[in-house]
Amino acid sequence: AQTVTQSQPEMSVQEAETVTLSCTYDTSENNYYLFWYKQPPSRQMILVIRQEAYKQQNATENRFSVNFQKAAKSFSLKISDSQLGDTAMYFCASNNAGNMLTFGGGTRLMVKP
Amino acid sequence: SQTIHQWPATLVQPVGSPLSLECTVEGTSNPNLYWYRQAAGRGLQLLFYSVGIGQISSEVPQNLSASRPQDRQFILSSKKLLLSDSGFYLCAWSVSREVNTIYFGEGSWLTVV
Repeated sequence: AQTVTQSQPEMSVQEAETVTLSCTYDTSENNYYLFWYKQPPSRQMILVIRQEAYKQQNATENRFSVNFQKAAKSFSLKISDSQLGDTAMYFCASNNAGNMLTFGGGTRLMVKP
Repeated sequence: SQTIHQWPATLVQPVGSPLSLECTVEGTSNPNLYWYRQAAGRGLQLLFYSVGIGQISSEVPQNLSASRPQDRQFILSSKKLLLSDSGFYLCAWSVSREVNTIYFGEGSWLTVV
């Protein structure tokens, strides 16, 4: 069974600054993906970034990047130049060969003007 | 491109009434389909998934059922709603059988009164 843990229930950051959200996971799979999803007040789950476990290079999507440490089973999300629209719940998730997502408990991020 | 839609977006139903939430995917064939539930302030729980027409797997025994009458249609139902069925329901899809990204619909907010 997979587990995903987000140890930061809430975080805040000043607009234009950088923030890092933490995530650790545990899996016995060799082939898996890791994801960060954003859930704004509209509640829709929006894919922010994904990382294939077999790739050593950290994924980057514009202002969003990850620090993937496979041996440590750590998968943190860095948001650079934070914007007010980044205010949301952020969920870390992993899937496996059956393509079932396991979610962490979420981190509520508040970007302050 | 692929899109996913679910409806209704908001629903208020009395205890004991039936439920039907519908989800359709466009732009792909033979997708994996999923129903997730999110209780207030919490993470997502997988309820059902389907790898093909008429093939439904349940992750959590409960008052709900799912059906897949067509390749790209997934329906979440209940014959008699309970107060504990209240929550935010999300339909999702992925490319079949591969470890891959899961994409979510807009969600349906159900309040049982």
